[in-house]
Amino acid sequence: DAGVIQSPRHEVTEMGQEVTLRCKPISGHNSLFWYRQTMMRGLELLIYFNNNVPIDDSGMPEDRFSAKMPNASFSTLKIQPSEPRDSAVYFCASSLRRTGITEAFFGQGTRLTVV
Amino acid sequence: SQQGEEDPQALSIQEGENATMNCSYKTSINNLQWYRQNSGRGLVHLILIRSNEREKHSGRLRVTLDTSKKSSSLLITASRAADTASYFCATDQTFQGAQKLVFGQGTRLTINP
Repeated sequence: DAGVIQSPRHEVTEMGQEVTLRCKPISGHNSLFWYRQTMMRGLELLIYFNNNVPIDDSGMPEDRFSAKMPNASFSTLKIQPSEPRDSAVYFCASSLRRTGITEAFFGQGTRLTVV
Repeated sequence: SQQGEEDPQALSIQEGENATMNCSYKTSINNLQWYRQNSGRGLVHLILIRSNEREKHSGRLRVTLDTSKKSSSLLITASRAADTASYFCATDQTFQGAQKLVFGQGTRLTINP
């Protein structure tokens, strides 16, 4: 397996534009996580899915953020409209929930810059 | 809110010395995991310790867990320059029947040659 695949790797956009980040989890994994990493806030859990169903989106900072997982092999995180303070590295991770073995595998991240 | 607080935030030691990082958390957990992040890369899983375990070893890594104090420590023995990275603890909790993985702020470890 190629691991968790995120796209794009880098995104530069103007304030007010819509941004869509994409994630392909590892085949067979049943949990998917979206994180945001900044120097100030560290690694924040934004939302996570189990069997394609959103479980907890309390970490999503504002209504401008939304996430979907239409099937087991694809998820998106959308920011509309984007603002400069959304600039961060966004990570997607997936795991297979099994008794006692729940390590997460991370993608390489998407570095978002909103100007 | 995020839980899992590592200390120190930054640690700089000489090659060959041991490095110890600590993690505290607030809620009940299924297990606690440690990850490593090289600059500009995604996190990589290092070791997992279950809530009913007290100590675990993997190569040069030693992890302890004290559930009564809600704390864990990661020890890297005989450090190498290549160990320079950020290290994060993550608490594995169950929320609404699903896995919830929450990370701490991390410890930046620098190994000086």
